[in-house]
Amino acid sequence: GDSVTQMEGPVTLSEEAFLTINCTYTATGYPSLFWYVQYPGEGLQLLLKATKADDKGSNKGFEATYRKETTSFHLEKGSVQVSDSAVYFCALSDPSGTYKYIFGTGTRLKVLA
Amino acid sequence: DTEVTQTPKHLVMGMTNKKSLKCEQHMGHRAMYWYKQKAKKPPELMFVYSYEKLSINESVPSRFSPECPNSSLLNLHLHALQPEDSALYLCASSQVDGGIFSYEQYFGPGTRLTVT
Repeated sequence: GDSVTQMEGPVTLSEEAFLTINCTYTATGYPSLFWYVQYPGEGLQLLLKATKADDKGSNKGFEATYRKETTSFHLEKGSVQVSDSAVYFCALSDPSGTYKYIFGTGTRLKVLA
Repeated sequence: DTEVTQTPKHLVMGMTNKKSLKCEQHMGHRAMYWYKQKAKKPPELMFVYSYEKLSINESVPSRFSPECPNSSLLNLHLHALQPEDSALYLCASSQVDGGIFSYEQYFGPGTRLTVT
């Protein structure tokens, strides 16, 4: 079945460091891919999305490119801030267009000043 | 406006209590969802409503009873819960067209439920 694999956390970085959080997926069709962010005590916020191969999603300095050849959707940011400390979830939507989301396990990011 | 609101923010209830969680969206979305999230885990889908009708029940115990009074509102009625039901309950919504669900779901801030 479809699945999403994220890198284990926590990831600890100093402010202004470069961030990469790896996400790979398996799917039988052509899913859309998402990154969600969850700040402490809050719900999930849609960070960015990509709906087809080679699409690049971007928002608030974060970027991710839908790579079908490597089945990946890695999240990157050039210079992290303390305020980026949160849990990041990679997710895919069922390619057949049903309701189902497949979430990764989440990666906790801690940015130190 | 991409806001989904949930009330209350926090809820503490005993195992014999009856309480309700409320969710509201004004984005015109016709699909609404309830998720349960335990600490350090991703959300787990509980229920899906499409056009105000229950589409999916992910084998959720009957002590959780969803209700969709109209296209903007979603309730989750709670009765005789167990301590292990303590979690963050998240509501989400998305577009749906002819049975095809839009790809992005928008989540509310959640209700932190503690069962004593």
